[in-house]
Order: sequence, then C-alpha cells, then structure tokens
Amino acid sequence: DQQVKQNSPSLSVQEGRISILNCDYTNSMFDYFLWYKKYPAEGPTFLISISSIKDKNEDGRFTVFLNKSAKHLSLHIVPSQPGDSAVYFCAASHNTDKLIFGTGTRLQVFP
Amino acid sequence: SAVISQKPSRDICQRGTSLTIQCQVDSQVTMMFWYRQQPGQSLTLIATANQGSEATYESGFVIDKFPISRPNLTFSTLTVSNMSPEDSSIYLCSVVFLWKDVRGDEQYFGPGTRLTVT
Repeated sequence: DQQVKQNSPSLSVQEGRISILNCDYTNSMFDYFLWYKKYPAEGPTFLISISSIKDKNEDGRFTVFLNKSAKHLSLHIVPSQPGDSAVYFCAASHNTDKLIFGTGTRLQVFP
Repeated sequence: SAVISQKPSRDICQRGTSLTIQCQVDSQVTMMFWYRQQPGQSLTLIATANQGSEATYESGFVIDKFPISRPNLTFSTLTVSNMSPEDSSIYLCSVVFLWKDVRGDEQYFGPGTRLTVT
C-alpha cells in the first residue's frame, strides 16, 4: 500500500517558468511533510518541509503548499533554473516516526 | 555543514558473497537509518541503527540478511549478506543531527552506495 504517491514520474519545464511538483497521501495521521532533491550519484538533499498546522511554507524560490482536506501537497519552484533538474521526492511522517517516501518525480528544466 | 560519507561508493559483487557498507558522520547525531533504493523505486527504510544495541528492522527486513552495527554516535555499518541479484540497489544511510533544533524526522542523507550483484 503506497501511502505517499507522486503520480507524475517526470516533468519538463522551461527555464524561468514555474515548476509544480505534486504529491498525494492517504494517511490522515501524517503531520509533517518534506521535499528532497536528488541528483544522480548523490544522496537526497533536504529541501523544504511543512507541518500540518500550516498550509504554506516558503524558502526563497521554493514554496510548499499543503491541502489537508485533499491530502495533497505541492512544491512550487519559481523561477525554475537548469540546476533544479533532479529527482524530487516527497516524504511524510507521523509524530516524528519514520519517513515514508513517494516514488519521485524527475524534473528537467530546459533553456 | 556536517559531512556524511559512505564507503564504498559502488561495488560489483558475486552472488552468495557479503558486502559491508560504512557510514561516517563528522558530528554527533541522534538517529541513524539505512535505506534501500531499488531501480525505479522509492526509498525504503531497512532499519534504524541503535547505538550499542540491536537495530530496529522494518517489515520485510531481517537481521540475518542485513546485520547492522552502530558502535558510537557517528558511525554505523550495514552488511548485505548472501547476496543475490535482487539485492542490486543503492543503499543510503541517513542521520538526524543532534545540533539541529528541528523535528526528529528531518533526515540528512549520505551519498549512497551503488551495489550490483552478478
């Protein structure tokens, strides 16, 4: 049972435009959500997180939105840059328990 | 920022053999974890490495197949035993830092070990 789902395996965006990566979850007990970025041959890098008591968290070009009623979160990257090309994983946890990861979305930003 | 290193970075092994992967952090951590990422799959937690005691394994993973040690706060090893081609994966350690005032579920990852079993 996949509790965290990223239904888009890939996304292609032009440089300077907005990238929107989506993530859905099924467990309503999740109370913390994270986004990781992974380059080839490297480990995932923590990007941004959001607690379930918030609906938005912003850090520079990166904003995460949480819609608890829809059990949906999204990561917005504005403006997108070629260096943002990577695989993005969303993850969720409950009460500081283990992280459950989605399957990842490969983002490609082209000039 | 702290450095998390893994050795080896990659290896090609024959079936039936074992490989031990090391994870070293240059600052103290509270939690250490081991993950597996099979080709085209997400990251799957294998176990939590507990200092000075037996690791806590997730469903589907057992100590005989994946023995784990954590002798101190900054070092852990994962052994993949009696390997088969199905064990070909990227193995990653992750940590939660003692010094970060964040929730215990904000993990930081090592670079990974790419294992191919022939």
